[in-house]
Amino acid sequence: EDQVTQSPEALRLQEGESSSLNCSYTVSGLRGLFWYRQDPGKGPEFLFTLYSAGEEKEKERLKATLTKKESFLHITAPKPEDSATYLCAVCRGGADGLTFGKGTHLIIQP
Amino acid sequence: DTGVSQDPRHKITKRGQNVTFRCDPISEHNRLYWYRQTLGQGPEFLTYFQNEAQLEKSRLLSDRFSAERPKGSFSTLEIQRTEQGDSAMYLCASSLEGRDFRSYNEQFFGPGTRLTVL
Repeated sequence: EDQVTQSPEALRLQEGESSSLNCSYTVSGLRGLFWYRQDPGKGPEFLFTLYSAGEEKEKERLKATLTKKESFLHITAPKPEDSATYLCAVCRGGADGLTFGKGTHLIIQP
Repeated sequence: DTGVSQDPRHKITKRGQNVTFRCDPISEHNRLYWYRQTLGQGPEFLTYFQNEAQLEKSRLLSDRFSAERPKGSFSTLEIQRTEQGDSAMYLCASSLEGRDFRSYNEQFFGPGTRLTVL
């Protein structure tokens, strides 16, 4: 059974304090690993897709990386508007529903 | 707005009643997905359609749940004889199956329908 574990569950940072969120996964035949951002009461907002180990993608203050066992979402010099829950999900070969982790609740204090 | 839309945004019902939710995907997307999310958890996959065909169902989708996508455009999710455990956010997502496998499964979510069963 596919498993996605995110850590930490919650993270509080000061504005400008860089950090990383972790996503560990167990899946047979990884087709893709996805990062989403979710604000309270809203649907997840797509951020990145990573397909193979060694791949990296960047968007503004966010950078996602992928190894064979885990992915990291690096947040550089975060701002209060980066506060949200960040979700990691995987898709395996032969199936199309995503398996999500529980997310990391990130709070950036001014 | 050309994103995924869902209706209603909120639904309060009494235990035992039937409810139906609607999802309108991004217009050119041929794949449509339903997920359920409870507080503090990530979304859980329920089912998906490619055009009008329902291709995959999770074991979470009990026989009280039924989904349709009759013309390959909008979709409905019906829950019969609701139970308190059905209280959750129901999310719809859509994606486009393209020639490039890298675009195959980037799913874009709607705002969700929050269901409360009293």
